[in-house]
Amino acid sequence: DVKVTQSSRYLVKRTGEKVFLECVQDMDHENMFWYRQDPGLGLRLIYFSYDVKMKEKGDIPEGYSVSREKKERFSLILESASTNQTSMYLCASSLGGLLGNEKLFFGSGTQLSVL
Amino acid sequence: AQSVTQPDIHITVSEGASLELRCNYSYGATPYLFWYVQSPGQGLQLLLKYFSGDTLVQGIKGFEAEFKRSQSSFNLRKPSVHWSDAAEYFCAVGVQRGGSNYKLTFGKGTLLTVNP
Repeated sequence: DVKVTQSSRYLVKRTGEKVFLECVQDMDHENMFWYRQDPGLGLRLIYFSYDVKMKEKGDIPEGYSVSREKKERFSLILESASTNQTSMYLCASSLGGLLGNEKLFFGSGTQLSVL
Repeated sequence: AQSVTQPDIHITVSEGASLELRCNYSYGATPYLFWYVQSPGQGLQLLLKYFSGDTLVQGIKGFEAEFKRSQSSFNLRKPSVHWSDAAEYFCAVGVQRGGSNYKLTFGKGTLLTVNP
């Protein structure tokens, strides 16, 4: 089975801190995604990547950046954390190719609290 | 831009009853449509998907969904709900943008409660 591992299950940070959320997948997937999940708002796409060193903005990229130096690792960076970035962050990966054949594999999430 | 609407925030059904979760999408061309489920404390899992062909698609755990172009809908159904189906369900629409580049947009989710 595909395994998508997020480094932390719970994280507490202070306003203004630089925060790194790490995600690793073990199936040589081309595509990786970062979503945030908030009650009543569903999943919203922050950034995604289709190749190493390639990134593209999703629907809510403001306040975030990403890094993909190696195929298996996709990092989400909060340059200066703010309280409105308190959320559940979900990483996902997929094999790549035709969308009709696609299936996203999700990590178990990182619950970030910014105080 | 594509969008997804799940009109029901929370639905409660009795175990053994039938279930229908609604999903409406907005997209100019033929969409790729998905249903994902998030069980308590677990990651999201793909239930089923539609991208062409038969408009009635079968998924895992006894779920099915029907694509109705005229209504821009992709409703999820199950004839008899089990207590283990209690979860949050997300509908999603995907847009292929060339090669492996695509974008998946999720709805806000429907929380399903199952009464014994």
